[in-house]
Amino acid sequence: QKEVEQDPGPLSVPEGAIVSLNCTYSNSAFQYFMWYRQYSRKGPELLMYTYSSGNKEDGRFTAQVDKSSKYISLFIRDSQPSDSATYLCAVEGGGADGLTFGKGTHLIIQP
Amino acid sequence: DADVTQTPRNRITKTGKRIMLECSQTKGHDRMYWYRQDPGLGLRLIYYSFDVKDINKGEISDGYSVSRQAQAKFSLSLESAIPNQTALYFCATSELESTGYTFGSGTRLTVV
Repeated sequence: QKEVEQDPGPLSVPEGAIVSLNCTYSNSAFQYFMWYRQYSRKGPELLMYTYSSGNKEDGRFTAQVDKSSKYISLFIRDSQPSDSATYLCAVEGGGADGLTFGKGTHLIIQP
Repeated sequence: DADVTQTPRNRITKTGKRIMLECSQTKGHDRMYWYRQDPGLGLRLIYYSFDVKDINKGEISDGYSVSRQAQAKFSLSLESAIPNQTALYFCATSELESTGYTFGSGTRLTVV
């Protein structure tokens, strides 16, 4: 079983919709949870990160962590065509080899 | 200037050739990483370094080597390139894993 599972998509939604992106993970030792956004032919950029369980909000983006279910989510409100990108979740648990990434979900916002 | 600069941006090379990908960062961080990204496989860690004297193998280090020339510079070498090393390569830096990584724009490498 992979440590981080993420549906690759593509996920296509109309402009203005609420988007929900999700990952599951297997190792309960993970404590830091991140979301990266990657535009085509660009490097991933850190969008949000949270420590332990709970919600964190930044503008139209909300990151949610449920450690009891080993489930992490990213919600995008009022989605825009500029949000079209691949979204990667990442987890970190204090091990020696850094972040573990999901494979990414390709999101398409239709104008 | 970008926080993490990778050169070259694109490279086509022949099987068996030696090639070096270079990375420099202006963040002042000690930790640097090399990843490759393949469709359907995501980001996979090749090597990482926590300071100038520290080099560690990642998940897929076979066929690769690295050199940490200074705090700001971390290069990746393919000693004898093979076609299945065709991929998008990213360098990244971080203060701590828990604070997230800053990635470069990537090098698209094609081995023919």
